Amino acid sequence: KQEVTQIPAALSVPEGENLVLNCSFTDSAIYNLQWFRQDPGKGLTSLLLIQSSQREQTSGRLNASLDKSSGRSTLYIAASQPGDSATYLCAVSSYSGAGSYQLTFGKGTKLSVIP
Amino acid sequence: KAGVTQTPRYLIKTRGQQVTLSCSPISGHRSVSWYQQTPGQGLQFLFEYFSETQRNKGNFPGRFSGRQFSNSRSEMNVSTLELGDSALYLCASSLLTPSTDTQYFGPGTRLTVL
Repeated sequence: KQEVTQIPAALSVPEGENLVLNCSFTDSAIYNLQWFRQDPGKGLTSLLLIQSSQREQTSGRLNASLDKSSGRSTLYIAASQPGDSATYLCAVSSYSGAGSYQLTFGKGTKLSVIP
Repeated sequence: KAGVTQTPRYLIKTRGQQVTLSCSPISGHRSVSWYQQTPGQGLQFLFEYFSETQRNKGNFPGRFSGRQFSNSRSEMNVSTLELGDSALYLCASSLLTPSTDTQYFGPGTRLTVL
């Protein structure tokens, strides 16, 4: 059974700082990994999707890396801004049997960027 | 292009009642997935529908069920509500499959069971 862990559970940084969020998963046989952002009381917004054959993806100030063999991914946020404050969730797509794939989510890292 | 919509946004029910939640995916998306989010368990996968057929199911009791219509709109039903069913229920749509395509989430339905 796939398990996804995100450390730390919460992080507070001053504005302008570069930061790294971590995600680890137990079964390296994944199809892809996605990073999402969730604002309080709202749904999830997809940030980056990394296919299992890729090592990283970039979008603006965000860079996500994937090391499938070690079961780890990192989300790097450059020059953080107060608007980046949210909960960041990592999800992996892995085989769940009978030709189906399933997304398993971590519990997220709550990020606060202090002005 | 309109995003994923969910109705209602908030619901208050009592134990033993049943509830139906609705999800309208992004136009052209054929896969709809449902998730339950609670502070203790985080986001847990309920089920996924594609072309009116349940293609995948998570580890939830039979009280949780769903269906998808020919226009890809989906509903989920919870019967005999329990206090532990209080949660944010999220719907997500993707073009063909959540295993390869980006999932787009709706704002969720906040269910409170008293």
